[in-house]
This record gives sequence, structure tokens and C-alpha cells, in this order.
Amino acid sequence: DAGITQSPRHKVTETGTPVTLRCHQTENHRYMYWYRQDPGHGLRLIHYSYGVKDTDKGEVSDGYSVSRSKTEDFLLTLESATSSQTSVYFCAISDNRAAYEQYFGPGTRLTVT
Amino acid sequence: GIQVEQSPPDLILQEGANSTLRCNFSDSVNNLQWFHQNPWGQLINLFYIPSGTKQNGRLSATTVATERYSLLYISSSQTTDSGVYFCAVGGYVSGGYQKVTFGTGTKLQVIP
Repeated sequence: DAGITQSPRHKVTETGTPVTLRCHQTENHRYMYWYRQDPGHGLRLIHYSYGVKDTDKGEVSDGYSVSRSKTEDFLLTLESATSSQTSVYFCAISDNRAAYEQYFGPGTRLTVT
Repeated sequence: GIQVEQSPPDLILQEGANSTLRCNFSDSVNNLQWFHQNPWGQLINLFYIPSGTKQNGRLSATTVATERYSLLYISSSQTTDSGVYFCAVGGYVSGGYQKVTFGTGTKLQVIP
């Protein structure tokens, strides 16, 4: 199994509070991704990173920001959580620019009340 | 962007039966992956198969890129095959970095 961990694994928070999710990898892969999974939508890309301090937006980036200060860590921040951001969040890694063979972390279940 | 459609959306099989899952996509791709999400939520990469055929045990996949579809075959199904199967595709990009688009999945339940 690819060495990818996510923390926390579960979180309940109130509307309006900031939340940061962490993805940590031990594979030294250059590319990292944040997805959210919602019923009926499959997985949708929020943000991705193609190197330290290099990030770009995905298809559902509004309300989210990311940072990558080290190869192994990719942080996803909800500046002011809303109920529509209740979801399961997955981090993924890949060792090539074309995202061949992505490997996923275990996911974080976030509930915004 | 590329559209991805998977069928059927739901499938119930008796243990030991065979099945075929389909993924249609709307444009040329250079990246197609099949994933299995088990009942505990873990996403597992099954195949990277932008064209051709691959086999791994009871699972095999075929992608016909010119006709824009891929098939995942499950033979002699077992209860551990239950879960959701996702197809994910990525298209050709000039410069930049590729992103993949996921289908909405096929939910498979294998009953003893």
C-alpha cells in the first residue's frame, strides 16, 4: 500500500469555523490532489499540487485553499466551513504529471453542523 | 471537460456469477484507471488502462480508445468484490498538468 495518511479521519465542526485537513505521504511523489466525494457526484477535484509551493484549482475549488510547504504534506483549508462542505475528503498522490496510477489516502469524513 | 458515464449504476450478483461494468467517455484520453472503493471507503487502484487489455486474477479490463469505452470484467464474483467501481479518465493536455475526471460509479453487491 502507498504510504498516505490523512488527519483527522473524522471531524465535526460548526458553520463558520476554519478547518484544516492534512495529507501526508512517504512516497516522495511530486503530485498531490484533494478530492471530495458526495453521493451522486463521484469524486471531484478540489485542488492539486505539482510541486512544493505549486498548486492549482480543480473543478470545485470555491471555499477551499491549499498549501504545500514540503513534498510530503498537502494541507486543505476551509476558511469558514459551510454545511455544503459536509463530505468525505480524499487525498491522492501520483508520481507523474499525467496522474497515471493515482493512489488514495483513507479519507476524512467532515460534518459541518 | 471530458464526460464520463458508467453503467449500470447498481448491480446485484449471486456469488460465483460473472459481470461486466462499462465506462463511456466523451473525448480522446491518455489516462484511464479503474478503482474499487470497498465498503470501508478505501479506494484501491485496479488498473491503469488507456488502451488494450489487462488481467489481474479474476479481474480484467479492456479499453477501446477509438470507440471511447472501457469494460471491467469480474469473473466468479466473491462477496469481497462488493463496493463501488469507479472509472477515471484524463485527456491530452498541451503543457500544464493533467487532472482526471471520475464517473459516478457502479455499486456492486455480491450476495452469498
